[in-house]
This record gives sequence, C-alpha cells and structure tokens, in this order.
Amino acid sequence: ETGVTQTPRHLVMGMTNKKSLKCEQHLGHNAMYWYKQSAKKPLELMFVYNFKEQTENNSVPSRFSPECPNSSHLFLHLHTLQPEDSALYLCASSQDARDNTIYFGEGSWLTVV
Amino acid sequence: DQQVKQNSPSLSVQEGRISILNCDYTNSMFDYFLWYKKYPAEGPTFLISISSIKDKNEDGRFTVFLNKSAKHLSLHIVPSQPGDSAVYFCAASATVTLNFGKGTSLLVTP
Repeated sequence: ETGVTQTPRHLVMGMTNKKSLKCEQHLGHNAMYWYKQSAKKPLELMFVYNFKEQTENNSVPSRFSPECPNSSHLFLHLHTLQPEDSALYLCASSQDARDNTIYFGEGSWLTVV
Repeated sequence: DQQVKQNSPSLSVQEGRISILNCDYTNSMFDYFLWYKKYPAEGPTFLISISSIKDKNEDGRFTVFLNKSAKHLSLHIVPSQPGDSAVYFCAASATVTLNFGKGTSLLVTP
C-alpha cells in the first residue's frame, strides 16, 4: 500500500479538453512534487510545493497548472494539451523540500489524442 | 543537458550472482545520491542512498559505492533474485532538485 495515491491511474483526453490529476499523501509530509516520465527520457521535475507554497516551476508550459490546497493534496490541472504531453505523471512527497528522500505515487498515465 | 547518466539501458544477470548497476554524473556539486527501483505500472520506490561524505553504504543485499573523483556510483545487488527484476533509477542532488538518470532495466533469470 502506497502512502501516495494518484487518481485517475489512466486518462485519455482530447486536445481541447480540461481535466485534472489528483494526488493525496498520507505520510504527514510537507513537500509535494509533480514529475513527468516520458519514454526513454529521465524523470523531469515539473513543480515543487513546500508547506503549500510553490517553490519551483521547472519551465513548465502554462497548459499545466498545479494547485496545492493543503500539504496533503496536490492537483495538476490540464488544459489544451498536445499529443507530446502524453506521458506518465508521477506525484511524490517528502518530509519537506530539503529532504531528498522522496516517495512516489503509482503515477497517472496520460494520453492526449 | 543530462547531468546523471546510466549508460546501460538493460542488464541480464543469473539468479544468485551479483548485479552491478552503474551511474555517472557531471555536476561536482552533487552531494547526495539515491537509487530507486521501479516495477511496471508503479511509481519508483526508494531503495538506498549515500551522501558524499561516504564512499559506501550497505543495506542487506544492496550496497551503493561512490567514487567522487570519478563522479561515478554503482549499486551492487548480491545475491540477485528474480524479484529484483525492475528498472533502477539513479538520482543525484545538490540542493532540492533530484536529477534522475534514464534507468537501467535489470532482468534476473532463474
């Protein structure tokens, strides 16, 4: 059983759709992250939230919009995505943003058609 | 610019033997290194870490070696078991951001 849960696990959306990915952590952590994993590429950090404040935006296009209402929940709002945005989106958490031991969710597979 | 490189995309080892997974990095500011293990359709799971003040860290069958002068680290698994078959990611950090390699797919055959 993972301490970081992501929903939905699979999502297919059209380029004009608006959808959201949800992440919830049950570990009492204060930092949460969104990563993107594309085939044959390293994991890419997208956003970092520490104590609900966004501390890092790794040059992510504005069609990806994160939201962190509290330390346990993290959303990734998706709007007018491109087919090349199809990937596995991983949520993760750590005790705080200084703690490099991070725990990942199982990921949300996104396909943009 | 990829700062963490895992040059072997795949590795096959017989059960009971040693698996050695390698990782190279370019940023001399990295001071903390981790290995993650990933099964299909699951997120990466933290395996073992090492800070730059050490050159070896051991946890059961898993040992990580760090050679700072060569900017190289390796993960040794001994003895290897079929359940170790997974993708292994090396990661390194200097501050907050973790930099991941592309991963090495390990297959342990009976």
